[in-house]
Amino acid sequence: AQSVAQPEDQVNVAEGNPLTVKCTYSVSGNPYLFWYVQYPNRGLQFLLKYITGDNLVKGSYGFEAEFNKSQTSFHLKKPSALVSDSALYFCAVREYGNNRLAFGKGNQVVVIP
Amino acid sequence: DAMVIQNPRYQVTQFGKPVTLSCSQTLNHNVMYWYQQKSSQAPKLLFHYYDKDFNNEADTPDNFQSRRPNTSFCFLDIRSPGLGDAAMYLCATSRVPGLAGSTDTQYFGPGTRLTVL
Repeated sequence: AQSVAQPEDQVNVAEGNPLTVKCTYSVSGNPYLFWYVQYPNRGLQFLLKYITGDNLVKGSYGFEAEFNKSQTSFHLKKPSALVSDSALYFCAVREYGNNRLAFGKGNQVVVIP
Repeated sequence: DAMVIQNPRYQVTQFGKPVTLSCSQTLNHNVMYWYQQKSSQAPKLLFHYYDKDFNNEADTPDNFQSRRPNTSFCFLDIRSPGLGDAAMYLCATSRVPGLAGSTDTQYFGPGTRLTVL
């Protein structure tokens, strides 16, 4: 069964510092990996995905993520956090041929001015 | 812009009074999903349509039903809402995962926040 772990409940970071949100996954076969961001009372907004190819994936708003097959990880990163990056971040995975996404529990990111 | 639209954004209903939530899409995607999300938790898949083929999750209560009259529209019906059904309801769409040219990405609407009094 496919699953995702986001080990931290909340990530606090000072504005201008690097931001990392951790994600590890478990699937049978090759994973399709996604990051979404959610602002209060809004839907999930797609940030980036890894399907195949380069392990470093670049997405919206300066975010990137690195796929590491040996560590089964897909950590989200941003070199310099903004206060407007404060939101809830979800990592998700699905297996080939499966319509369903498995979401992590989410990480609340707080960027401190 | 192509998008996923949900109406209404906020819905208030009374305990036991049926309610219908609406989702429409201009992306022409084959697959439409309904999720329930409670207070900053992960979204929980209720069911999804692959074209007209309905796929219910095993733990979705019978109180929740869905209709997809055409490619663009999908409805979530809650027959007798209870206090525990108060949540954000999210609609999402995608192309068929795994097909050539498929983006594999689920695109979400803004959600409908349901309050049950």
